[in-house]
Amino acid sequence: QKEVEQDPGPLSVPEGAIVSLNCTYSNSAFQYFMWYRQYSRKGPELLMYTYSSGNKEDGRFTAQVDKSSKYISLFIRDSQPSDSATYLCAMSQGAQKLVFGQGTRLTINP
Amino acid sequence: SQTIHQWPATLVQPVGSPLSLECTVEGTSNPNLYWYRQAAGRGLQLLFYSVGIGQISSEVPQNLSASRPQDRQFILSSKKLLLSDSGFYLCAWRDHRSSYEQYFGPGTRLTVT
Repeated sequence: QKEVEQDPGPLSVPEGAIVSLNCTYSNSAFQYFMWYRQYSRKGPELLMYTYSSGNKEDGRFTAQVDKSSKYISLFIRDSQPSDSATYLCAMSQGAQKLVFGQGTRLTINP
Repeated sequence: SQTIHQWPATLVQPVGSPLSLECTVEGTSNPNLYWYRQAAGRGLQLLFYSVGIGQISSEVPQNLSASRPQDRQFILSSKKLLLSDSGFYLCAWRDHRSSYEQYFGPGTRLTVT
């Protein structure tokens, strides 16, 4: 069993829809959770990070962590074509090693 | 602000040839530095990390090596490339004093032929 599971998609939604991206994990020692956005042939860009259970909001993006269920989500409101990218979840129990999900490829259709 | 550079951006090399990829970070001091490889359709695999000059930790045994000759310079090398070394190589940095997030460079796309 992988430490982090992420549905690879692809996921295709119309512009303006609410998008939900999810990851589950098996290691209860994970304490730090991040979401990255990666455009084609580019390096990943940090979108959001959180260190605790609950919700964290930044503009159209909301990160949600449920440590009891070992489940994290990223919600995108009012999705735009420019949001089309691969989204990677990442998590860590310590300082050095991030464990990444496989990434979900998202397409927003105009 | 901090900036991370990688070069070259794209590289095509024959099997058995050597490799040298370079990463430099600007705007910070004593960063933690990381090398990852991303194969097509896969997540990121941590290859090496460094907490200081000359200090290298290896995560995956393979024919690659890393060096950190200067505080903000990280180099990924190989003496003889294999076909399986093809992939997208990413360098990342972290400010060990304040956070756990890592910030990535633009990447080098390596094709071994």
